[in-house]
Amino acid sequence: EAEVAQSPRYKITEKSQAVAFWCDPISGHATLYWYRQILGQGPELLVQFQDESVVDDSQLPKDRFSAERLKGVDSTLKIQPAELGDSAMYLCASSLDQGGLGSDYGYTFGSGTRLTVV
Amino acid sequence: LAKTTQPISMDSYEGQEVNITCSHNNIATNDYITWYQQFPSQGPRFIIQGYKTKVTNEVASLFIPADRKSSTLSLPRVSLSDTAVYYCLVGDKGSQGNLIFGKGTKLSVKP
Repeated sequence: EAEVAQSPRYKITEKSQAVAFWCDPISGHATLYWYRQILGQGPELLVQFQDESVVDDSQLPKDRFSAERLKGVDSTLKIQPAELGDSAMYLCASSLDQGGLGSDYGYTFGSGTRLTVV
Repeated sequence: LAKTTQPISMDSYEGQEVNITCSHNNIATNDYITWYQQFPSQGPRFIIQGYKTKVTNEVASLFIPADRKSSTLSLPRVSLSDTAVYYCLVGDKGSQGNLIFGKGTKLSVKP
């Protein structure tokens, strides 16, 4: 079964440092999403890409967060500088198209990167 | 996207059938209902999707009444490994958009 790859799996960083997360979606999936999930809450969308273009980044804190998908394949999410409140799970998901709730098999999520800011 | 309401938590025992109900009073004509499952330290996983009446797959069944203002995810004969958070989402299957998650229902299965 095809998977969405994310790395690192865990990351501990000090406040004010820079941190980056990487995502490799399922081959052929044009749409890629970055979500943030705080412990005990549901995932919240940060940014959505269609190929290499940003479709929705309205919830991305642009003063410190940036995301890119230069060749329309893998993607990087960066935080600089990290703050204590950024501690969360960062999830990447991909889908074939932008179709709302997606195909009959939905979106595919990676296992996430658990970020702890100290 | 229509807002959904689910119980915060549920407890069950191994071997029992578990039914998790989701309310979506403002569901639109074109909206589908989708359920995701999330284990600790993993991303959500698609379980089932439906529009009306009943849908069944190898994992679960989804019951949707005629007015579609609610839906029930049914997990037959749960095991300890079904302990997870279950999310109900409602939205237009064909529109440009993204998944909006609520807090979900935390199901705890006990031996």
